[in-house]
Amino acid sequence: DAMVIQNPRYQVTQFGKPVTLSCSQTLNHNVMYWYQQKSSQAPKLLFHYYDKDFNNEADTPDNFQSRRPNTSFCFLDIRSPGLGDAAMYLCATSRRQGLNTEAFFGQGTRLTVV
Amino acid sequence: DAKTTQPNSMESNEEEPVHLPCNHSTISGTDYIHWYRQLPSQGPEYVIHGLTSNVNNRMASLAIAEDRKSSTLILHRATLRDAAVYYCILRDTQSTSYDKVIFGPGTSLSVIP
Repeated sequence: DAMVIQNPRYQVTQFGKPVTLSCSQTLNHNVMYWYQQKSSQAPKLLFHYYDKDFNNEADTPDNFQSRRPNTSFCFLDIRSPGLGDAAMYLCATSRRQGLNTEAFFGQGTRLTVV
Repeated sequence: DAKTTQPNSMESNEEEPVHLPCNHSTISGTDYIHWYRQLPSQGPEYVIHGLTSNVNNRMASLAIAEDRKSSTLILHRATLRDAAVYYCILRDTQSTSYDKVIFGPGTSLSVIP
């Protein structure tokens, strides 16, 4: 059974039209991550939450925002998508402490901007 | 943050062992060595991690050098389903940024039938 679920798998949005990607988890992990992955590149961390504490990477554009209303759900909001924001967006979770701190990833949402 | 270096690509014949190297010469004493892999069109998946001792699980083995400046992920019998990008990542348990999982370029493994 999927433990990190991303919806939708494919999203098409218009240039400049706000779009929200969603992620849910059944693992009760306190850390959640959002990554952007462009073709033939490694995933790039955008931001992460430790519980409700939000941590933004220094080079994440202001166009990208996130919300985590509870432990299970996390959202990525792209306020004004540009053509350069077309990518796979990956959500992941992990425990912060203890022996088993491996990260679990969703299957990703592939965003197309037209 | 301590960095890792990996070969860009490697090839292996099917059903033969594969040794994927990772160098991390600036590793600190509190850095765990994690490996993930990403199959085509899928999200990354955890493979294995360790601190000092060699580790085995159902997917792979992790051999860690005595000085911890390098490690090797070992796939005992490569199958076509093992063709993926393999990422070696350091996670510092003492750092306030331990929450982060930062990917380097990784090694693209091709498996030849």
